Amino acid sequence: DAGITQSPRHKVTETGTPVTLRCHQTENHRYMYWYRQDPGHGLRLIHYSYGVKDTDKGEVSDGYSVSRSKTEDFLLTLESATSSQTSVYFCAISGIEGTLNYGYTFGSGTRLTVV
Amino acid sequence: AQKVTQAQTEISVVEKEDVTLDCVYETRDTTYYLFWYKQPPSGELVFLIRRNSFDEQNEISGRYSWNFQKSTSSFNFTITASQVVDSAVYFCALSGYNTDKLIFGTGTRLQVFP
Repeated sequence: DAGITQSPRHKVTETGTPVTLRCHQTENHRYMYWYRQDPGHGLRLIHYSYGVKDTDKGEVSDGYSVSRSKTEDFLLTLESATSSQTSVYFCAISGIEGTLNYGYTFGSGTRLTVV
Repeated sequence: AQKVTQAQTEISVVEKEDVTLDCVYETRDTTYYLFWYKQPPSGELVFLIRRNSFDEQNEISGRYSWNFQKSTSSFNFTITASQVVDSAVYFCALSGYNTDKLIFGTGTRLQVFP
């Protein structure tokens, strides 16, 4: 399996505080993604990255920002956490050696609770 | 626009029953790819299958089989002789031409009772 880790695995934070989730990969995949999973909504794309310093918005990007300063790290920041951002967040990677359409490898997820 | 619809929110069966999970997709691309992922109660997302739009052959892997029909824009997943370990949420997903982004359906929760 590709090496992809998310940290932290669980986090409880207060409304209004900034939160950063980290995704780290060791397999040199080009593309990285952040999704959130909510009941009834499945997996929805927040932001994604085509490479270092090359990011773009997904369908639910409001209230989130990302950064990718190194190939292996993709950070997701909740600028001011709200209760509606309570969710399970998944990082995914794809595109090893420039290939496309072979699907994702997912991280284990981060369960975030905003109180 | 691309879209994936999994109309079945939840399915319950008794062990050894066969069960089919439906997936209907929308895309304007002529080249596209379809996927199924499994999410067991432990929460991780596990890749099951990838299919490209030019290959309509059905695929079988043990008790799992997939039926891809372009005429009805469907990519259905059948589990034969279901087992308790098949209990999970199953996601169907779509990616289009020249992009790796996946569009997911809302998932179907399968519960298999002993």
